[in-house]
Amino acid sequence: DIQMTQSPSSVSASVGDRVTITCRASQGISSWLAWYQQKPGKAPKFLIYAASSLQSGVPSRFSGSGSGTDFTLTISSLQPEDFATYYCQQANSFPFTFGQGTRLEIK
Amino acid sequence: EVQLLESGGGLVQPGGSLRLSCAASGFIYSNYAMSWVRQAPGKGLEWVSTISGNDGSTYYADAVKGRFTISRDNSKNTLCLQMNSLRAEDTAVYYCAKDGVGGANWFDPWGQGTLVTVSS
Repeated sequence: DIQMTQSPSSVSASVGDRVTITCRASQGISSWLAWYQQKPGKAPKFLIYAASSLQSGVPSRFSGSGSGTDFTLTISSLQPEDFATYYCQQANSFPFTFGQGTRLEIK
Repeated sequence: EVQLLESGGGLVQPGGSLRLSCAASGFIYSNYAMSWVRQAPGKGLEWVSTISGNDGSTYYADAVKGRFTISRDNSKNTLCLQMNSLRAEDTAVYYCAKDGVGGANWFDPWGQGTLVTVSS
């Protein structure tokens, strides 16, 4: 199975800050990576696919990059609604696996 | 608008069975693979199972293989998950999700989830 490791597990930041979350795959997955945002008590929301493509309707302050084993999610200027937990997911092969999540908290 | 609505969750004793359903609307259902993803209380996301749109091929996580069965009815736009021999570690919110853009194996959108609690 492909293991997905996110870092950091949690981060505190302020509105307007730039934040980067890292996701590492235990083996190469090309660009078969997605990012999701989840708020408490809600279903995850699809943000980015194919490592760097922004899903329709997602604000342009979100961006993704990487290929192979190392990926990043960047939020260029944090807004109050961005404080949530973020997950990466590999879509390269079964079983699909998620990172453990990164909790983004208000400083 | 794509909508997914799960039902069937509840409290069940260890060793018991439960059947989850997901009603889909707003897209050509038979064209897309569908999946179940779960989330234990306070924990991360765990993929459970996927069924393809056309030929009905099925895939399972090792943790549920042999106990859970995914199925779909393309005439009724419904997805099901039959869960047998349930264990305490199966306690989670279960989400159904549609294959995302490009027909790849990312999940978009997700239903609101249904809670399964396995406890005596």
